[in-house]
Amino acid sequence: SYDLTQPPSVSVSPGQTASIACSGDKLGDKFVCWYQQKPGQSPVLVIYQDTERPSGIPERFSGSNSGNTATLTISGTQAMDEADFYCQAWDSGTVVFGGGTKLTVL
Amino acid sequence: QLQLQESGSGLVRPSQTLSLTCGVSGGSISSGGYSWIWIRQPPGKGLEGIGHIYQNGDAYYTPSLKSRVTISVDRSKNNFYLKLRSVTAADTAVYYCARMTTHYIDNWGQGTLVTVSS
Repeated sequence: SYDLTQPPSVSVSPGQTASIACSGDKLGDKFVCWYQQKPGQSPVLVIYQDTERPSGIPERFSGSNSGNTATLTISGTQAMDEADFYCQAWDSGTVVFGGGTKLTVL
Repeated sequence: QLQLQESGSGLVRPSQTLSLTCGVSGGSISSGGYSWIWIRQPPGKGLEGIGHIYQNGDAYYTPSLKSRVTISVDRSKNNFYLKLRSVTAADTAVYYCARMTTHYIDNWGQGTLVTVSS
């Protein structure tokens, strides 16, 4: 089976840039998307097809994907961005999620 | 606006079958270009894909669950369904239904907690 690895936690100060990595074998050959999940809520798509932002998602969210690593970057992080973030790819006809990263804004 | 709503039993006995329905409103389950997916999240843990189905009935399952899962669709009712057999406590989770397009999920249900306990 295909595995996606994320750091369990990332901390960032308000106004700074947060980067969350997602690694997998030849991940750059696949499309990656990212979801934000706040406590008690369903996940929300924030990045799809590596770099695309759905309508309504702030411009401070951006993504990249190359080699074995995809990265979600949040520029000018705000307190409201504190949440769990999951990367997701597609492998052998099924979806695969990373283990999730808890972003703390402090 | 598309909405998805999970329904079904919130408590299932061990070794029994978990059955959930996802009702789709605000759009047709027969729309081309989409598949319909089940995902679960154990309490305090991450997301796990269970499987998905296309409007023609072709279904694909996560390998680790494949032997116990069936996903089906009823286009006349605009619903799709999940059955998970021989459940254990490890199957306790919030179960989400969602719509998937081109390998990403663009609409999620609110989720429903299913507890496996005697």
